[in-house]
Order: sequence, then structure tokens, then C-alpha cells
Amino acid sequence: ETGVTQSPTHLIKTRGQQVTLRCSSQSGHNTVSWYQQALGQGPQFIFQYYREEENGRGNFPPRFSGLQFPNYSSELNVNALELDDSALYLCASSPDRGPEAFFGQGTRLTVV
Amino acid sequence: AQKITQTQPGMFVQEKEAVTLDCTYDTSDQSYGLFWYKQPSSGEMIFLIYQGSYDEQNATEGRYSLNFQKARKSANLVISASQLGDSAMYFCAMREGQSMVDKIIFGKGTRLHILP
Repeated sequence: ETGVTQSPTHLIKTRGQQVTLRCSSQSGHNTVSWYQQALGQGPQFIFQYYREEENGRGNFPPRFSGLQFPNYSSELNVNALELDDSALYLCASSPDRGPEAFFGQGTRLTVV
Repeated sequence: AQKITQTQPGMFVQEKEAVTLDCTYDTSDQSYGLFWYKQPSSGEMIFLIYQGSYDEQNATEGRYSLNFQKARKSANLVISASQLGDSAMYFCAMREGQSMVDKIIFGKGTRLHILP
């Protein structure tokens, strides 16, 4: 149990649609990061939020966007879905002190 | 640029034997952290062990130990007395200490199969 929960666990969308994935972080963890894990690969960093502000982004286009809320929940939004967006999306929360990042169980997105 | 290399795509190990999963890394930073995560088929990334670049002792957590060889830029995971429940994907990962962005770079993983 990491205290990080993601919803939904599975999702099927059609190419061109928009999707919102949700994450509830551990209380007191001000940093949340999102990762995309394609089949057979390691997770790739999408972006990070700290106290509701984006403060870092990986090599992902602007149609990947996010929000972080004061209640330690966050969202990942993807517009204009493409087939290659099919992946496991992982949310991770981190405390202000300490090296660990605690991951949720992920949302498996399939784009058809 | 940071890079994590895991050269073993898959491994088969007999139950109760020890297993070593290889990991090499590349960074120009002096301050960094190294992680190992376990990912079962359910998808959740489970934290196993952490080693800071300035830690002089190798990290240990129960049956897990991290064989940290800084000069070789190597951070192998050793699992003692393997169990059937250890079958999973294992990822080596790194975070640079000086970066303001709490980004973790992952390797491609090693799939471990424990045989009864």
C-alpha cells in the first residue's frame, strides 16, 4: 500500500478523443509526477507538479496537460488521442524530504 | 544526459537461490540517487531499495541489497533466497540530486522468473 490511488484502472478511448486520468496522492506530499509506460518499456517522465504549479516537463507534446489541486489530487489530460498514446499511466507522489517516490497502480489506457 | 542500462531482458532462477540483476548508469552529476522498483503484472511500481551517491555503505532492505560500485557506475540488485512471489519486472532508476525537477529516469527493466 503506497497511499497513492489512480482512477480509472482501465480505459478504452477512440482516436481523436480526449481523456482525463486522476490520481490521489499521499497527504502531505506536495510533488506529483506523471509517467507513461509503453508496453515492454520503462516509464517515461511526462511532467511534474509542485504545489499546483508545473515545474518540469519531459519530451511530451502540449496536448498532454495536467492539474494539481490543494487536496493532493491531480489530473492528467490528453487531447486528440493517438494510437501511440496507448500505455500504462503512472502517478507518483513524493514528500518534500526524502528520496522516495510512491507510485499508484496505474491506469491502462487503450486507444482504438 | 542521464541513462540507465539494464542488459538482462529476462532471467530464470531456481527458487531459494540468490539472484543478481545488473544495472549501470551514466550521469555527470556528483549527487544522485539510485532506486530499484518491482512491477508485478498488476502494474503498480513497488519501491524496493534506495542508494544515495554519497552513501558509503551498500543499502540493504530485508532480502534486497544494492551492490553499489561508484567507480564502475554500477548498482546491481541482489535478492537473497528468492521466492516464487519475486517473479516480476524489475526496474533500475536514477534521480539527479541537483535537479529541481523530481524526475526519475528508468531503465528498460529485467523480467525475473522464479522456478519452483
